[in-house]
Amino acid sequence: TQLLEQSPQFLSIQEGENLTVYCNSSSVFSSLQWYRQEPGEGPVLLVTVVTGGEVKKLKRLTFQFGDARKDSSLHITAAQPGDTGLYLCAGVANSGYALNFGKGTSLLVTP
Amino acid sequence: DTAVSQTPKYLVTQMGNDKSIKCEQNLGHDTMYWYKQDSKKFLKIMFSYNNKELIINETVPNRFSPKSPDKAHLNLHINSLELGDSAVYFCASSPTYRADGGYTFGSGTRLTVV
Repeated sequence: TQLLEQSPQFLSIQEGENLTVYCNSSSVFSSLQWYRQEPGEGPVLLVTVVTGGEVKKLKRLTFQFGDARKDSSLHITAAQPGDTGLYLCAGVANSGYALNFGKGTSLLVTP
Repeated sequence: DTAVSQTPKYLVTQMGNDKSIKCEQNLGHDTMYWYKQDSKKFLKIMFSYNNKELIINETVPNRFSPKSPDKAHLNLHINSLELGDSAVYFCASSPTYRADGGYTFGSGTRLTVV
């Protein structure tokens, strides 16, 4: 059973476009995290959202945690080729300790 | 200075062999993890140690045996390697056993069993 479902699985866009990646679950999470992974490297933490309804901004990236703490979204404004990578959402269910990861969204931004 | 370092980066070996992957973190974190990333990029928890004690042991064949000599090190030994063990293995650490603080990952070990 996959706790976290990410969509879309793949996304190919041109530089300058906007995009949104979704992370959904039927479980409640104490927090959700977003990571970006580049080829040949480990995932790197972008942000942690903790409070239901919370919105966090990191330059052109906007992260939102759902009111019920079951879902999250990542919006990128004016995407750049440097944004290319695998975006992973991860969360700790209320009864657990280790992070459970979604299957990721592979983003390609072409010039 | 690399925060979480894994060795080797690449490992190619024959079926039936025994191999080890080493991981060290210099962040002073209490908790370390091993994750397996399959060919579809799905990351799955294998083990977690908190201050040298095993706290998570997912459904992993007992051919996999983690060892933590101290809280800065977590090694993974694999016996009788099988083709299906081919994957990228990531070591990670977090400040405490509560993962809410986020993980710091190593750069991975790509294991290929032939």
